[in-house]
Amino acid sequence: SSELTQDPAVSVALGQTVRITCQGDSLRSYYASWYQQKPGQAPVLVIYGKNNRPSGIPDRFSGSSSGNTASLTITGAQAEDEADYYCNSRDSSGNPNWVFGGGTKLTVL
Amino acid sequence: QLQLQESGPGLVKPSETLSLTCTVSGGSISSSSYYWGWIRQPPGKGLEWIGSIYYSGSTYYNPSLKSRVTISVDTSKNQFSLKLSSVTAADTAVYYCARHFTFLPLYNWFDPWGQGTLVTVSS
Repeated sequence: SSELTQDPAVSVALGQTVRITCQGDSLRSYYASWYQQKPGQAPVLVIYGKNNRPSGIPDRFSGSSSGNTASLTITGAQAEDEADYYCNSRDSSGNPNWVFGGGTKLTVL
Repeated sequence: QLQLQESGPGLVKPSETLSLTCTVSGGSISSSSYYWGWIRQPPGKGLEWIGSIYYSGSTYYNPSLKSRVTISVDTSKNQFSLKLSSVTAADTAVYYCARHFTFLPLYNWFDPWGQGTLVTVSS
C-alpha cells in the first residue's frame, strides 16, 4: 500500500473542472509533484512545487495543498487530458524515501 | 533538450540479476542540482521509486528493495545504472530512468523521464 492515497477513478464532462486529490501525512510537510501518464507512454511532469508548471504544460493545470491533501485541478478539461495521474512526494518517515500515489484514472466524458 | 534512454536485456531468468543502463544526452549527469533516479511500473499497476544517485555516487534506495538494489554512475559516459539481484516474477515491470530534483526535504520531482523498458522475469 502507498503512503499517498488517490481515488482510483474520476470522471469529468468535457470543458468542466475536475479536482484530483492525493492524501498523506507527508503532505503536511512536503510538496507533491504530479504526473500525467497516457497508455503506453512514460509519465510526464505537470505540476511541481507550490504550483509550478513545466514549459509546455497548459495553464488549465494547477496545483494546491491544504493540510494532508494535495490537489491537481484541471480547469476546462479537454479530451486529451484523459490519462492516469500520479502524485509523488517524500514519505513521512523523515528519511530520504520517495513514494507515489496509487494513481487516478481520469475519464473525460 | 535533456533526454534519457534506458537499455538492457528485456528478459531475465528468476534468481538472476537485472541490469539496466540509462544514457543521458543533451546535458551533463554531473550537474550539481540533480539526482538521477530509477522508477518501475508493473504491468497494469502504479509507479514505484527504486532509488536515486548523485553524480558523486551518493545513493538513496527504497527500503523495500534496498537489500537487492545497487545504483551506480559513470560520469565519463554520462550514464547511470541499475542492478537488481535475485529477481522474481514480481520484478517484471517497465523500468524508467528520470532526472530527480530534490531540494531541502520540501521540493521533489522527476523530470524528464526516459521512454521506459519492459523487463520480464521468466525462465
